[in-house]
Amino acid sequence: GQQVMQIPQYQHVQEGEDFTTYCNSSTTLSNIQWYKQRPGGHPVFLIQLVKSGEVKKQKRLTFQFGEAKKNSSLHITATQTTDVGTYFCAGDSPGTYKYIFGTGTRLKVLA
Amino acid sequence: DGGITQSPKYLFRKEGQNVTLSCEQNLNHDAMYWYRQDPGQGLRLIYYSQIVNDFQKGDIAEGYSVSREKKESFPLTVTSAQKNPTAFYLCASSAATGGYEQYFGPGTRLTVT
Repeated sequence: GQQVMQIPQYQHVQEGEDFTTYCNSSTTLSNIQWYKQRPGGHPVFLIQLVKSGEVKKQKRLTFQFGEAKKNSSLHITATQTTDVGTYFCAGDSPGTYKYIFGTGTRLKVLA
Repeated sequence: DGGITQSPKYLFRKEGQNVTLSCEQNLNHDAMYWYRQDPGQGLRLIYYSQIVNDFQKGDIAEGYSVSREKKESFPLTVTSAQKNPTAFYLCASSAATGGYEQYFGPGTRLTVT
């Protein structure tokens, strides 16, 4: 079945360093969503990418959708302690109306 | 104040008992979802519903059941047939299926001993 993998599983960075998480799907996606889950909390929607090669920015966060629409990345510039949490990508499952969530990348920011 | 509510936040049950988790939304969303999250893992889809009186199995539906009799409510029953029910359960809704952001409730942490 369809799989959505994320790397790395964990990342510890010093505050001010950059961070990137990568998401890879075994199938071509129509769109991809990114969510953030703070420790002890629930996932919160960040963004959705739809077009091949699309790049979107939200302040220090940059999201990219691959040309083949099978991979995506989230880059955070100059991390802050408020960026701590687990970042999930979610790809739609072709022919269905459900999303397959990636395994997540847990980010820790050391002050 | 619009959103999704789940109750209770923590739930403890003995093995062999069925338990129903509540999920209510006042966002007027058509689609609703149930996910299971295990420690250090991603979200796995249990069931989803595109519209009232309709629902489909997700990837791990065995041992679970749902109903969607009202637009705003999508309760999940964890039956005794679920072999490993202890987990964090998240309910979500979206305006429709396919390309809409999902809004998540605060979750219910179920412990079965």
